[in-house]
Amino acid sequence: KNQVEQSPQSLIILEGKNCTLQCNYTVSPFSNLRWYKQDTGRGPVSLTIMTFSENTKSNGRYTATLDADTKQSSLHITASQLSDSASYICVERGYGGSQGNLIFGKGTKLSVKP
Amino acid sequence: ETGVTQSPTHLIKTRGQQVTLRCSSQSGHNTVSWYQQALGQGPQFIFQYYREEENGRGNFPPRFSGLQFPNYSSELNVNALLLGDSALYLCASSLPQGSTDTQYFGPGTRLTVL
Repeated sequence: KNQVEQSPQSLIILEGKNCTLQCNYTVSPFSNLRWYKQDTGRGPVSLTIMTFSENTKSNGRYTATLDADTKQSSLHITASQLSDSASYICVERGYGGSQGNLIFGKGTKLSVKP
Repeated sequence: ETGVTQSPTHLIKTRGQQVTLRCSSQSGHNTVSWYQQALGQGPQFIFQYYREEENGRGNFPPRFSGLQFPNYSSELNVNALLLGDSALYLCASSLPQGSTDTQYFGPGTRLTVL
């Protein structure tokens, strides 16, 4: 069972609109939570990393929130642009040595239409 | 662009063959991780190399093996290819900075097994 669940699976919005993507995680103990953007056929690019003590972090038009009590995170995209069309992947890291503790969700595929 | 390069971009093999994928890490990064990403799925951790030594391995059989060279570039070798090995193979380089170190992904190698 995937320990990082994302919703929705896919989303279509009009250019200029806002949207929010959701992530629920179950991995414990928790170290940090990351959001990545992955363009089709490309490698993921890091957007934000939040530790247990942080509940919000912004990167331009992207704002991630974290609720460690409910084990939920969201990624809010403001004033969407056509270039925002991509998959957005939620990643949790548990405690431990190697990057093998990164657990990736399946992603939300966002399409921004003109 | 992250500075991480992978070769080849695309590759087609038949069942039972062997394949070698290559990754050049970002300048100064001594850690390389490899991931397998099946269509519509999030990346799955294969293994990580730190200073030429394997530093963690995911749930992949021994026919997946790797190397890291003194210049920190890396290879992923897969023997006895199966149809299910068809996927995008991603490498990511990083500098160990505790649990919040950022991984920089390459563009990936698309492997198709016929």
